[in-house]
Amino acid sequence: GESVGLHLPTLSVQEGDNSIINCAYSNSASDYFIWYKQESGKGPQFIIDIRSNMDKRQGQRVTVLLNKTVKHLSLQIAATQPGDSAVYFCAERRRDDKIIFGKGTRLHILP
Amino acid sequence: DAMVIQNPRYQVTQFGKPVTLSCSQTLNHNVMYWYQQKSSQAPKLLFHYYDKDFNNEADTPDNFQSRRPNTSFCFLDIRSPGLGDAAMYLCATSSGPQETQYFGPGTRLLVL
Repeated sequence: GESVGLHLPTLSVQEGDNSIINCAYSNSASDYFIWYKQESGKGPQFIIDIRSNMDKRQGQRVTVLLNKTVKHLSLQIAATQPGDSAVYFCAERRRDDKIIFGKGTRLHILP
Repeated sequence: DAMVIQNPRYQVTQFGKPVTLSCSQTLNHNVMYWYQQKSSQAPKLLFHYYDKDFNNEADTPDNFQSRRPNTSFCFLDIRSPGLGDAAMYLCATSSGPQETQYFGPGTRLLVL
């Protein structure tokens, strides 16, 4: 079936280190992928997106990598800061334009 | 600043007592969405409006209804809340069905 899932539910990273959050998707027809950050008690916040005709996209301190061969998506956060603590969701857009969210990974920043 | 606003941020209701959650936006976006998010889970789409066209998800219970009286406002009505309806309800908007969705802060619903 169609699903967007994450490999690890919780990730702990030392402050200042780089974080890598992974996501697997199963719908090969999806053409657009998004990463959202959700802080406690808040709505999801758009971080970065990537279209299926790309394999890498960079933003400010964040990079998204897309490997269509193995249906894998990752979010890299450089020099992780305390403010990066949140749950990160990957999401895919299906052919009917609906956004399907993955289960989420909680990122803990260690001092 | 253009934004998505949800009121109230916290809502307490009684089992079976109708409740309405509201969402407004200053982005002038055509599409408005309602999601349900239970604890430690991903947001789940309930329905969306594309302008005045209502699109219900197949697995959204009949207990959940929505109204969009104008471009700026959208309401979520829960006719007879059950304990299982306690969740965070998120409103989102986008300028088109293929465009980025922007979320409001959510309303956390507690059912007693």
